[in-house]
Amino acid sequence: IALTQSPGTLSLSPGERATLSCRASQSISSTYLAWYQQKPGQAPRLLIYGASNRATGIPDRFSGSGSGTDFTLTITRLEPEDFAVYYCQQYGSSPPYTFGQGTKLEIK
Amino acid sequence: QVQLVQSGAEVKKPGASVKVSCKSFGYTFTDYRMHWLRQAPGQGLEWMGRITPYSGATDYAQTFQGRVTMTRDTSISTFYMELNRLGSDDTAVYYCARWARGNYDDSGFDAFDIWGQGTMVTVSS
Repeated sequence: IALTQSPGTLSLSPGERATLSCRASQSISSTYLAWYQQKPGQAPRLLIYGASNRATGIPDRFSGSGSGTDFTLTITRLEPEDFAVYYCQQYGSSPPYTFGQGTKLEIK
Repeated sequence: QVQLVQSGAEVKKPGASVKVSCKSFGYTFTDYRMHWLRQAPGQGLEWMGRITPYSGATDYAQTFQGRVTMTRDTSISTFYMELNRLGSDDTAVYYCARWARGNYDDSGFDAFDIWGQGTMVTVSS
């Protein structure tokens, strides 16, 4: 299953709302869809699991939604520390663990 | 505190092998599978394989079959990933990452919840 993220780059200002998309090449269970944030020089950090569940310590301005083939990560009221690359990831069909190519969220 | 600490950066020549370690802290070593992933410079994340710590059973991505070996030492709570016959396209940051679904019951969830800091492996002549 391939994951396609859009847009490739998103330019926004602090305080604005960000909407990131992840589309699967075939339907996947929402249980197996996760989102990660990665900052330069750092390992990825888990944000959302099961499509809509925030991981421990993740602020409530981050939310996930979607089902089937279309999933969304929304960040309300962007903070300066939110500008990073975001990846969606699925677990399931061969290959069993795949990632989208990432969306870079940059400051406008 | 739950964390994974990886070994330091490596520089290798083409054709050589590299072995990266990942030591776990703050949780029961055998409770969760460990995965290895890599990220080439400026690129996305690629899954390499996983190991079940209590049995040592492994599953490798087809891309790496025959070239990667994942092991563990339960006495020191440490995982290892060895990659052979290195080429320049193996230059990447290698990560270990814990899969949050427990081995023994249905606890946890299906995602990579804890990551090592990464190990840069550079392959250059």
